[in-house]
Amino acid sequence: RKEVEQDPGPFNVPEGATVAFNCTYSNSASQSFFWYRQDCRKEPKLLMSVYSSGNEDGRFTAQLNRASQYISLLIRDSKLSDSATYLCVVRVNRDDKIIFGKGTRLHILP
Amino acid sequence: GAGVSQSPSNKVTEKGKDVELRCDPISGHTALYWYRQRLGQGLEFLIYFQGNSAPDKSGLPSDRFSAERTGESVSTLTIQRTQQEDSAVYLCASSTHSQGLGGSYEQYFGPGTRLTVT
Repeated sequence: RKEVEQDPGPFNVPEGATVAFNCTYSNSASQSFFWYRQDCRKEPKLLMSVYSSGNEDGRFTAQLNRASQYISLLIRDSKLSDSATYLCVVRVNRDDKIIFGKGTRLHILP
Repeated sequence: GAGVSQSPSNKVTEKGKDVELRCDPISGHTALYWYRQRLGQGLEFLIYFQGNSAPDKSGLPSDRFSAERTGESVSTLTIQRTQQEDSAVYLCASSTHSQGLGGSYEQYFGPGTRLTVT
């Protein structure tokens, strides 16, 4: 099983819709979780950290499910500018290893 | 404030030549990471610095790759005898995390160096 797994997509979603995707991780010692977005031919940018209690930033909501070892990202009222690849990132506490998922591609359709 | 900067932004080199890529992290960031991203692929971890030491070099793909960091600031990634499969974007990121002293693991990326080996 890969350390961090994401559905590569693409997710093709009409503008204004709600979209959600998950990311599973294999190491139960994982301690920190993040979502990054990466636009085509650009560097990844931090979208949000994921806290145990879940957190929200505007239209974006992140959740952590430790029992099932996955994190999720929900985007409400999607905009054309949300089109990007979303990278799940996990830190394993034991050795400070930071692992990036391969990303989920999202296309918002006008 | 200034973000992570990398130079050059683009580098075209002939197979067999050596190249040196530079990363200037955000001032005060103790942790520095190098990644490689081939076209259409995910990020591949290369090496991690905590201050000037590299506790994790496990991602360096071969002994042609080396990296150093000085003054807890600038880092250089050197690729010797470049091969065509080295063609990729090389990304550098930094964070405030410091072993034993806390800080954040949130990484801030530079714009990358696009390396093309002909």
